Amino acid sequence: DAKTTQPPSMDCAEGRAANLPCNHSTISGNEYVYWYRQIHSQGPQYIIHGLKNNETNEMASLIITEDRKSSTLILPHATLRDTAVYYCIVRPGTSYGKLTFGQGTILTVHP
Amino acid sequence: DADVTQTPRNRITKTGKRIMLECSQTKGHDRMYWYRQDPGLGLQLIYYSFDVKDINKGEISDGYSVSRQAQAKFSLSLESAIPNQTALYFCATRAGRDTEAFFGQGTRLTVV
Repeated sequence: DAKTTQPPSMDCAEGRAANLPCNHSTISGNEYVYWYRQIHSQGPQYIIHGLKNNETNEMASLIITEDRKSSTLILPHATLRDTAVYYCIVRPGTSYGKLTFGQGTILTVHP
Repeated sequence: DADVTQTPRNRITKTGKRIMLECSQTKGHDRMYWYRQDPGLGLQLIYYSFDVKDINKGEISDGYSVSRQAQAKFSLSLESAIPNQTALYFCATRAGRDTEAFFGQGTRLTVV
């Protein structure tokens, strides 16, 4: 499985952009990068995913480097409700679509 | 109504008891998963199923069993609960391999 490395914690001021990095240097060519978040022991919530190109949806943007060895999740205008654990996941090259959740990054948004 | 519903939300049970956690989904997805989460850790896969006739073990299946009663229902059982099975349990569904997963709100299980 492709491993991911994320900083254990980050802080962000409310209203500012939150940029969460993720390293996945062993990613294979057909593996997607997924981002989920988990707010205070609730069920994980899907944010965004991508393969090669940058992606944007109503929640966030995903920037994937050209060599695909790292990516950044951008929350353009962080709010207090964005305080959560953010997981960067690379879908393994198996057929059953298991999501391997690591430790994630605890993002704290401050007023 | 939630897309993925887990029952019960909280449960305290005694060591040695049998307990069943239930999951139902309205997404119409074939793929369903059971994960457990221990405090401060990520999620670990217990079992997964691609359809009612397909059940597969995940990373930590020992001490657990599952039943896929229908496309929409996937139950997790602890035949003889032990204290180190105290954890938060999540059910999830997804339509296909490269699609997003939808998670239930979790079941907090305490084994005393």
